[in-house]
Amino acid sequence: AQSVTQLDSHVSVSEGTPVLLRCNYSSSYSPSLFWYVQHPNKGLQLLLKYTSAATLVKGINGFEAEFKKSETSFHLTKPSAHMSDAAEYFCVVSDNAGGYNKLIFGAGTRLAVHP
Amino acid sequence: GAVVSQHPSRVICKSGTSVKIECRSLDFQATTMFWYRQFPKQSLMLMATSNEGSKATYEQGVEKDKFLINHASLTLSTLTVTSAHPEDSSFYICSARVAGRLQGTQYFGPGTRLTVL
Repeated sequence: AQSVTQLDSHVSVSEGTPVLLRCNYSSSYSPSLFWYVQHPNKGLQLLLKYTSAATLVKGINGFEAEFKKSETSFHLTKPSAHMSDAAEYFCVVSDNAGGYNKLIFGAGTRLAVHP
Repeated sequence: GAVVSQHPSRVICKSGTSVKIECRSLDFQATTMFWYRQFPKQSLMLMATSNEGSKATYEQGVEKDKFLINHASLTLSTLTVTSAHPEDSSFYICSARVAGRLQGTQYFGPGTRLTVL
């Protein structure tokens, strides 16, 4: 069965400093992996996705993530945090069994950005 | 492109009433839509998968008679919470996948906050 673990429930950074949100996955075969962001009382917005192409994936708003099969990791990074990045971030793995992509969500990481 | 809307965005109802939530794909056709539930400060949990023209597939532990799902067209799925109770209060989010793309990205709606008094 597929699963995903977000290693930090809360991350706090200062504006202008790097962001690292950690995610490890478990999959019996080559997974599809996603990062979504959710601002308070809003729906989810796709930041980026990995689907067995390039292992370094660039997303929107300066975010990127690197797929490391040997470490079963898909950490999300950004070189310089902005106040508007404060939100909840979800690492997601796609369970492609049965012919459709059922998404399995991590518990989420709340990112706080301080001035 | 790939915009998903939900209506209403917020609803408050009395215990025992039924509430219908609509999920629409505005600029694409979606043969498959998904319904999620999110409790405060928690992650999203898949409730059911809605397929156009067929019965929905419910996840284990989700009561299909309580959460009625209808996917009558390629752009609309509805979730009806029947005889709602306070424990049904939650944030309900739908997503839609582009028709014909089994491995395609899911696009999420903005969510509906249900409060049952």
